[in-house]
Amino acid sequence: GAGVSQSPRYKVAKRGQDVALRCDPISGHVSLFWYQQALGQGPEFLTYFQNEAQLDKSGLPSDRFFAERPEGSVSTLKIQRTQQEDSAVYLCASSYWTSGNTGELFFGEGSRLTVL
Amino acid sequence: AQSVAQPEDQVNVAEGNPLTVKCTYSVSGNPYLFWYVQYPNRGLQFLLKYITGDNLVKGSYGFEAEFNKSQTSFHLKKPSALVSDSALYFCAVRAPERGFQKLVFGTGTRLLVSP
Repeated sequence: GAGVSQSPRYKVAKRGQDVALRCDPISGHVSLFWYQQALGQGPEFLTYFQNEAQLDKSGLPSDRFFAERPEGSVSTLKIQRTQQEDSAVYLCASSYWTSGNTGELFFGEGSRLTVL
Repeated sequence: AQSVAQPEDQVNVAEGNPLTVKCTYSVSGNPYLFWYVQYPNRGLQFLLKYITGDNLVKGSYGFEAEFNKSQTSFHLKKPSALVSDSALYFCAVRAPERGFQKLVFGTGTRLLVSP
């Protein structure tokens, strides 16, 4: 596709449910990032993939959060046993360039998660 | 660790007037600096970046930003604001070290341009 595609755009989950958020990056983009944006805040880094390798997961807030990119393209962010504090917009971004380069990121429209 | 401060939650400006959105940063070494814009219910869009070279960088939609090393600032500017510029603006910084360095965002500044 022309841009980064995320699904679902909106997800409502009951506390304790598991959720999976999908990101389809721009074709050929090596790098993929997940960010969490709470209401009224800037995006906070969660994790980074270079192709299928998860090179940095230092931003994942707990072991309930898990991300994968098994074939180096589509990525899934999974949140187990959701809590109310997980409510946020989850942004996916991709870049043609590898980690040390100066290239800008291309963001998807985000998946808004609301945990009741 | 790198950080970004956007001291204004909101900036109000009349259409046709110049606008400035402020950003200061903290990072070891020479930073890579970025501005992004976010429209309602949309993802972030890249506006411009400073990596090295000329301190004044020009970007999309007539925006520009000036890197000031002594003041550790990277303010976003536009000579004549449009109503359509109303959006949420984020400054971001990345440390220049080799290898992966995450992009750190500020908390954002809402720009409101009135007709």
